[in-house]
Amino acid sequence: DIQMTQSPSSLSASVGDRVTITCRASQGISNYLAWYQQKPGKVPKLLIYAASTLQSGVPSRFSGSGSGTDFTLTISSLQPEDVASYYCQKYNNALFTFGPGTKVDIK
Amino acid sequence: QVQLQESGPGLVKPSETLSLTCTVSGGSISTYYWSWIRQPPEKGLEWIGYVYYSGSTKYNPSLKSRVTISIDTSRKQFSLKLRSVTAADTAVYYCTRGNFYYGMDVWGQGTTVTVSS
Repeated sequence: DIQMTQSPSSLSASVGDRVTITCRASQGISNYLAWYQQKPGKVPKLLIYAASTLQSGVPSRFSGSGSGTDFTLTISSLQPEDVASYYCQKYNNALFTFGPGTKVDIK
Repeated sequence: QVQLQESGPGLVKPSETLSLTCTVSGGSISTYYWSWIRQPPEKGLEWIGYVYYSGSTKYNPSLKSRVTISIDTSRKQFSLKLRSVTAADTAVYYCTRGNFYYGMDVWGQGTTVTVSS
């Protein structure tokens, strides 16, 4: 089974900072990678799919990149409303697997 | 737009079967993969399994021996059964719509299930 890891597990940054979260797959998954945002007490929301395609309605400060085993989610200018946990998910080979998540808050 | 609503008991006794249903409204149940996801308190997301509109299923290997997911396309519902539950199965359970192009784009509001005697 393909395992997903994320780093860091948590981070604290200032408003306006550039934030980068890394997701790694234990085997190559091409670009079958999605990112989800879960605000405290809320339902997860799809942010990015196919590694780099922004879901409709998602602010352009979010971006994704990568292919194969290494992926990144970048927030170009952190906003207070971005406080959340972020999860990567692989969806190749007919199986879905989530990463353990990264908690982002404001310094 | 498509909406999903989970329903079922909020309390299940240890060793019994957890049963939840997800109702799809505002759209078709065809051509998508319908999943169950769970999130224990203060923990991350875990994919439980999915049912395709055709009825084919796939489960998380770690739960496969205890899980059955089924679909009733005429009622636009799909269901989860998790057998022999323990306290470790206490979680918020979400139903989702997805495919292998974009992951999961529609989520239900989630329902909390507590396993306790």
